[in-house]
Amino acid sequence: EIVLTQSPATLSLSPGERATLSCRASQSVSNYIAWYQQKPGQAPRLLIYDASNRATGIPARFSGSGSGTDFTLTISTLEPEDFAVYYCQQRSNWPPLYTFGQGTKLEIK
Amino acid sequence: QITLKESGPTLVKPTQTLTLTCTFSGFSLSTSGVGVGWIRQPPGKALEWLALSYWDDDKRYSPSLKSRLTITKDTSKNQVVLTMTNMDPVDTATYYCAHRENYYAFDIWGQGTMVTVSS
Repeated sequence: EIVLTQSPATLSLSPGERATLSCRASQSVSNYIAWYQQKPGQAPRLLIYDASNRATGIPARFSGSGSGTDFTLTISTLEPEDFAVYYCQQRSNWPPLYTFGQGTKLEIK
Repeated sequence: QITLKESGPTLVKPTQTLTLTCTFSGFSLSTSGVGVGWIRQPPGKALEWLALSYWDDDKRYSPSLKSRLTITKDTSKNQVVLTMTNMDPVDTATYYCAHRENYYAFDIWGQGTMVTVSS
């Protein structure tokens, strides 16, 4: 089973700054990585799929990159509404199973 | 517009079987490429993928929970049902169902339903 490790666990930044969140897989996952944003009391929202494609309606300040085992979610200029918990998720080639990372909490500094 | 909604008991006793229903609209689970998955989240903890039912009757389960889970679909009712046997207090969580199509991610989620396991 593929394990996803996200870092850092908590990231403290100010609005206007750039955020870089990391997700590392225990083995190659091709590009089958997705990123989600979750705010308190809400369901997760899909931000990025296939490592670098923005989902419908997601602002351009969100971008994803990486391949193989190392992936990054970048928020270019933080807006107040971006402070939340972010999860990465992978889908393995075979068998086709899904796992989530443990999350990164992005908090206001 | 795609929507999903989870329903089921809010409280179950240890050792009981949990049955959750996901009722959806705006898509068909008989369309090629479509899937409906279940994901849970214990209070204050991370998301955990449980199971996924595909349009072609394929079913996939989390290896760690496979022995306790069964996922079924009723295409005519637009429903996917998840059963989890031998419930334990550690299974206390919010349970979500979510839509998957075209790529390997869950693009639309239900609001979630909180299930507490306690005697």
